[in-house]
Amino acid sequence: DAKTTQPPSMDCAEGRAANLPCNHSTISGNEYVYWYRQIHSQGPQYIIHGLKNNETNEMASLIITEDRKSSTLILPHATLRDTAVYYCIVIEAGSWGKFQFGAGTQVVVTP
Amino acid sequence: NAGVMQNPRHLVRRRGQEARLRCSPMKGHSHVYWYRQLPEEGLKFMVYLQKENIIDESGMPKERFSAEFPKEGPSILRIQQVVRGDSAAYFCASSPLYNSYEQYFGPGTRLTVT
Repeated sequence: DAKTTQPPSMDCAEGRAANLPCNHSTISGNEYVYWYRQIHSQGPQYIIHGLKNNETNEMASLIITEDRKSSTLILPHATLRDTAVYYCIVIEAGSWGKFQFGAGTQVVVTP
Repeated sequence: NAGVMQNPRHLVRRRGQEARLRCSPMKGHSHVYWYRQLPEEGLKFMVYLQKENIIDESGMPKERFSAEFPKEGPSILRIQQVVRGDSAAYFCASSPLYNSYEQYFGPGTRLTVT
């Protein structure tokens, strides 16, 4: 699986958009980009995933660059409950869904 | 619809004892994954099971660890002769479909080996 690089931490003001970057410069054509988050002491929670096109759901938006070497997760209106570690994972189709979680980005939403 | 259930939530074992961790997937899900999270680290994949089958155990330590998902009942992760290095949070996830990457995680079992 391709490696991902994320900043270790970032702060965001409540009510503002949080933009979380992820670099995956060695991604190959059949690899998806997945985002999960882990609120302290809980199990990870699925957020969104994509292959080539931008995606949006009720939680977030995922913007993937045209060359697919990086992506951005957007939380449109951050709340205090969005404080968590956010993981960007690149996973190959057919790899049984065995995610390898890296260090992620610790996001702290402040009032 | 209940989520993924794991029990116990906290487990304390002395070195050399056995630890049994249980995972009940979401209703209708027949695929189970186990992950381990060591202190201050990310989750690491251990094993992927379907009912009565181990599909991928490439992340399982070669000794002392085993997993099963019987036709009836929860999935079990068993650790024999625990050592202090086994202290970690163990998470189970389930999915409804073959090769579905949208996994639903349980709250985890925190194992402490004294």
